[in-house]
Amino acid sequence: AQSVTQPDIHITVSEGASLELRCNYSYGATPYLFWYVQSPGQGLQLLLKYFSGDTLVQGIKGFEAEFKRSQSSFNLRKPSVHWSDAAEYFCAVGARSSASKIIFGSGTRLSIRP
Amino acid sequence: EAQVTQNPRYLITVTGKKLTVTCSQNMNHEYMSWYRQDPGLGLRQIYYSMNVEVTDKGDVPEGYKVSRKEKRNFPLILESPSPNQTSLYFCASSFSGLGGTYEQYFGPGTRLTVT
Repeated sequence: AQSVTQPDIHITVSEGASLELRCNYSYGATPYLFWYVQSPGQGLQLLLKYFSGDTLVQGIKGFEAEFKRSQSSFNLRKPSVHWSDAAEYFCAVGARSSASKIIFGSGTRLSIRP
Repeated sequence: EAQVTQNPRYLITVTGKKLTVTCSQNMNHEYMSWYRQDPGLGLRQIYYSMNVEVTDKGDVPEGYKVSRKEKRNFPLILESPSPNQTSLYFCASSFSGLGGTYEQYFGPGTRLTVT
C-alpha cells in the first residue's frame, strides 16, 4: 500500500542551527514528491517539489530536499533556521500516472529555541 | 489571482443540522480534494475528485458527501453533522492528467464546530 511516514512528530532546534526533517515513502514507482509548510493558523504552502532530474531540489525560504531512491526518502533540510520557521511541515507523494491521488504524511511540528 | 476559496471560514452549528462548505478554484484544475485536520492526526483525506462527475472516497469519508457538477466547484456536504466532525477543513486543487497529479493548492481552511 502507498504510504508516507514522517517519523518525527515534534522537533526543537536552536535558532541558527541546521535542520533536517525526515520523510520516507512506500510507493510502486518513483513518485512525485512535495514538502508543504503550515504556519500557525494558516493554510498549507508549497515549499518545494521533485518531479524528475536533479535529486537535490531547492525551494522557498532557503529550504532544500534530497530525493534518495535507494532509501525511499525525501528529507527536508535548512542550513540555519530562523524563529519564523516554527511551523508544521508535511511531506506528500503523488503517482506518475493518471487517476492518482496525493498522500500526505502526518506532519512534523518544528519549534525554535531562542 | 489564482486561488482556492472556501466558505464559510468559520461555522458553529448544532448536531443534525445539514450544512454545506463550498470550495471553488479559478485555475481550471482537474483534481480537487477535501481534508480534515485534527491535532496529532495530520491531514486526512475525506473525498477527492479527478474531474467533473468523478469522485472517490478518501481515508475518512463517513458522514460526508461531495459532488462535482462543475470543474471549478467541489462542495462538502454534512447531511447530519455530529460533534466528532468538529475540525479544520481544507479544500485543495491541482492539475492532473496522464502524467500524474501535481502539487496541490490549498484553500484558507474552514473551522467547523458542531455542538
